[in-house]
Amino acid sequence: GAGVSQSPSNKVTEKGKDVELRCDPISGHTALYWYRQSLGQGLEFLIYFQGNSAPDKSGLPSDRFSAERTGGSVSTLTIQRTQQEDSAVYLCASSPGATNEKLFFGSGTQLSVL
Amino acid sequence: DQQVKQNSPSLSVQEGRISILNCDYTNSMFDYFLWYKKYPAEGPTFLISISSIKDKNEDGRFTVFLNKSAKHLSLHIVPSQPGDSAVYFCAASYTGANSKLTFGKGITLSVRP
Repeated sequence: GAGVSQSPSNKVTEKGKDVELRCDPISGHTALYWYRQSLGQGLEFLIYFQGNSAPDKSGLPSDRFSAERTGGSVSTLTIQRTQQEDSAVYLCASSPGATNEKLFFGSGTQLSVL
Repeated sequence: DQQVKQNSPSLSVQEGRISILNCDYTNSMFDYFLWYKKYPAEGPTFLISISSIKDKNEDGRFTVFLNKSAKHLSLHIVPSQPGDSAVYFCAASYTGANSKLTFGKGITLSVRP
């Protein structure tokens, strides 16, 4: 597609369940980022991929969070044993891969943990 | 610790007037600054950027000013239109950070018809 695609757009889960969020970046973009936005907060960096490797995982809030990227394209963010504080909009972005570039964002996944 | 600060959570202006959105930063390594606009239920979209070697960048109705000594930047929208009503995020990065952006909390702009 022409833009960054994320699925699902909404996810409601029960506390303690695992969830997987998917991101399909713009074709040809080697860099991929995950951010989240909690209510009333700015965008919080989670993890950055260059190709299939993740040189910067510094934003992952706990070991319940993990992400992978395969084939230099699709990425999956997994949250294990979800907690209510995980409720947020999870945003994926991609860029061509050089430094100081603008990021292109998807519409996000609204995650609600009950 | 917030490295990018947008201290005013909201701003309301009359259609046709100027909107001035402010942003402050604390990290001296930042050398690239961007503004993003976000509508409800959509992802942020890029609006305008500025490199630290410049102090002004203009694109149509949008102008970004950078004051490096004060670690301050501002976005001017002239004239403001009702369709500009959205949340505006200030973001910053630095060479070597691979375009990883640090965002402020955002300002909600309302343009009254």
